[in-house]
Amino acid sequence: ELKVEQNPLFLSMQEGKNYTIYCNYSTTSDRLYWYRQDPGKSLESLFVLLSNGAVKQEGRLMASLDTKARLSTLHITAAVHDLSATYFCAVVETGANNLFFGTGTRLTVIP
Amino acid sequence: EAQVTQNPRYLITVTGKKLTVTCSQNMNHEYMSWYRQDPGLGLRQIYYSMNVEVTDKGDVPEGYKVSRKEKRNFPLILESPSPNQTSLYFCASSPRTGSRYEQYFGPGTRLTVT
Repeated sequence: ELKVEQNPLFLSMQEGKNYTIYCNYSTTSDRLYWYRQDPGKSLESLFVLLSNGAVKQEGRLMASLDTKARLSTLHITAAVHDLSATYFCAVVETGANNLFFGTGTRLTVIP
Repeated sequence: EAQVTQNPRYLITVTGKKLTVTCSQNMNHEYMSWYRQDPGLGLRQIYYSMNVEVTDKGDVPEGYKVSRKEKRNFPLILESPSPNQTSLYFCASSPRTGSRYEQYFGPGTRLTVT
């Protein structure tokens, strides 16, 4: 069974700082997703990464994928309070259709 | 407005009383899926459907049933709910499988089984 691990589980950072969230997975995959969830809310899609070396950026968030290392990163640049949320990565194993989520990283940005 | 809807949003029930949580999408999506979210465990997939009359088990299907008789609807059925099925449930849909498309999530259904 595909295992997805995120690090760290909890992250508290000051506004203006940079940080990276890591997502490791255990088998080959050709699709990786990043989602954001605000407290009490549903999930919002951030990025879809499909190939080795893929990099996508939206505002202060940048996601990348290294399929050889089975690693994706979500980099936060100059954090602002509005980025406080829980971030999930989710992976589909190559040739399969079911989605496996990481346990999430709860990010708190302190003013 | 393109959306995934779920009903009810909140439900408290007793052990053994059959219930159905409905999910509907208005985007003509082929792929639909159910997840449960539990603290410390993230989201786990229960069942998914790649099209009408095509369903398959996810990671945690025990105790759940689904059906896909119409493209827009994908109800989740708990024939005999138990307290360990107390959770937050999300339905999601996507245009295709095996593609670049992300999933669109419904607002969630918070279920408590006493």
